[in-house]
Order: sequence, then C-alpha cells, then structure tokens
Amino acid sequence: GAVVSQHPSWVICKSGTSVKIECRSLDFQATTMFWYRQFPKQSLMLMATSNEGSKATYEQGVEKDKFLINHASLTLSTLTVTSAHPEDSSFYICSAPGESGRSYGAYNEQFFGPGTRLTVL
Amino acid sequence: AQKITQTQPGMFVQEKEAVTLDCTYDTSDQSYGLFWYKQPSSGEMIFLIYQGSYDEQNATEGRYSLNFQKARKSANLVISASQLGDSAMYFCAMREGTSGYSTLTFGKGTMLLVSP
Repeated sequence: GAVVSQHPSWVICKSGTSVKIECRSLDFQATTMFWYRQFPKQSLMLMATSNEGSKATYEQGVEKDKFLINHASLTLSTLTVTSAHPEDSSFYICSAPGESGRSYGAYNEQFFGPGTRLTVL
Repeated sequence: AQKITQTQPGMFVQEKEAVTLDCTYDTSDQSYGLFWYKQPSSGEMIFLIYQGSYDEQNATEGRYSLNFQKARKSANLVISASQLGDSAMYFCAMREGTSGYSTLTFGKGTMLLVSP
C-alpha cells in the first residue's frame, strides 16, 4: 500500500516557539491531505484539509492563524503550530487518500502517517 | 448528534476467544463507507476493514469481520481468535458521500485488552 511519513515523530518545545510538522506521501501524489489532532485517550479530530496549490480548509473552531498549513507540492504538506502553548500538546496525524490494492469502488483508501507527538513545556 | 457512536470505552477478552466491538452510525446519505482502524500504543493508525453502504455481503479480512446491519445503522467489528497483539484502541469511522476525498469522522474508540 501507499506510504505516508511524518517528521518529526516527536518534538518537545518551549512555550511561545513555533513548530513545523511535515507530512509526505512517499510513493504517490496527494493533492489533498488531512490533518488530525488527538488528545490523550480521545478520538481523532479533523483540524483541516490541505489542498495542493490552494488555501487549506479549516474545521470550525480551529484557529487558522495558529495552525498554518502549506501544501507546496504534490507530496508534501506542512503544519506549523505558531506560538505553541502547553494546551497545544497533542498527537498530530496526517493522512492522504490514495489508490490501494483493495477494491473500494468510488472510495480511495486514506493512508495515515505515523503521527507526531508534540509536547509544549 | 454524533455521527459515529462507540458505546464500549473498554473491553476485555481472553486470548483465543472472539470479541465484538460495537459501532452505530448516523447519516442521511445513501452512499457512505465504514472503516475500522486499530491504534496501538505507538499511535499509528492501522486499517483493518471496510464496508461500503451498497455492499450486500459483510466484509471479511482474515480474523476481522464486519457485522453490517444497514437498517439498524450498525457496523460491529468481530475479531475471532483474539491474540495478545490485538490489545489496542479500535476506532470506527465513516466517510459520507461518493467522493474519494471525503473526510473521515471517527468514533470515540474502544480500548481492547486481551489477556493470556
């Protein structure tokens, strides 16, 4: 199946600094990528949809000026957490729809990255 | 209203036994897809099984099967012959509409613990 990578896998930073998380599709092109946030023992919540060459679409309640998304190429989307604070500490996961060997009809499978664990001190 | 409901926060099962994880969903779309993912403590999301709304047969993937009851809007995951490595968080998710790029909505998850 298709592979999505994330970098870094974990990061610890001081309050007030900015952190950039990269999401790459390694063996396929992704015009769309999704960014999720997951707090401990909770579900994945969609933050935004990243579109190559255009502005990201943010979910209600997600501050677009705080979570900057740039989808600069067909294989790379970046999420920058600006002026991070302890409440931004979370597990951030990206995903991208792509072709798989499985037959899903109209539905592309979503391939998930391994996630990035952000801790803000 | 929640679109995906998983009513079991945690489940215990003994090794080699079968276990059913519940999932109900809510949608007015005729075309949708239901997914189950496994998330071990490492955090990665592992795809397990998919069921399309128009699929007449229940999906099966190895030890995983999906008990799809469309009229009841339920899509329960059945794991047969549980293994210790099955201990993880399990999420049910739904994609609405016909677009392959539609977003997934996840349930709150069920923590499964398999004991020896």
